[in-house]
Amino acid sequence: ETGVTQSPTHLIKTRGQQVTLRCSSQSGHNTVSWYQQALGQGPQFIFQYYREEENGRGNFPPRFSGLQFPNYSSELNVNALELDDSALYLCASSSPRSAQYFGPGTRLLVL
Amino acid sequence: AQTVTQSQPEMSVQEAETVTLSCTYDTSESDYYLFWYKQPPSRQMILVIRQEAYKQQNATENRFSVNFQKAAKSFSLKISDSQLGDAAMYFCAYRRGYSGGGADGLTFGKGTHLIIQP
Repeated sequence: ETGVTQSPTHLIKTRGQQVTLRCSSQSGHNTVSWYQQALGQGPQFIFQYYREEENGRGNFPPRFSGLQFPNYSSELNVNALELDDSALYLCASSSPRSAQYFGPGTRLLVL
Repeated sequence: AQTVTQSQPEMSVQEAETVTLSCTYDTSESDYYLFWYKQPPSRQMILVIRQEAYKQQNATENRFSVNFQKAAKSFSLKISDSQLGDAAMYFCAYRRGYSGGGADGLTFGKGTHLIIQP
């Protein structure tokens, strides 16, 4: 069984740029959730995708957007990057009534 | 809104001993799930244990067990026979129940850094 994978592992961008992060869900899972984890903090829920549609969102502005594809993989897009967007971005996949299983994360640094 | 509080920023335990990590939460819902996740320096969040609120029996996974006190809204994690590989950040997390549909994003605490002394 293939686990959750994320790419890239690290990324450096400058303020105002746009970034796309990618996530492949675990086999058998149809739901993907994205989280932002600032240094020394617990992860914060950004949004969730279920069957290619956004299923719910946390307290993040619209410049955080996403997609889910027919194979249930997902992308997180962040426009107009700000310094505070520097964080570890975690993706988790799940199926109805299962726990969420996380990928290794993408470390984003905004300069 | 639901909140999760972990009041111990750091805990230290001798190898082979037992340690308990604390977690309290606040919710007005009756149907929910609680989780403990482990995050080692490799960053990957690993599920340790899961508890359904409707189950009175405390969940157990090998050396890991929980003490779930629903009325007190408390959900502590006990690690028995601590091993060096247990060293990590431990996060307590809440999610609402599956009834009613919608997103099931997790609400996390700030974490407890567990140190294992050899």
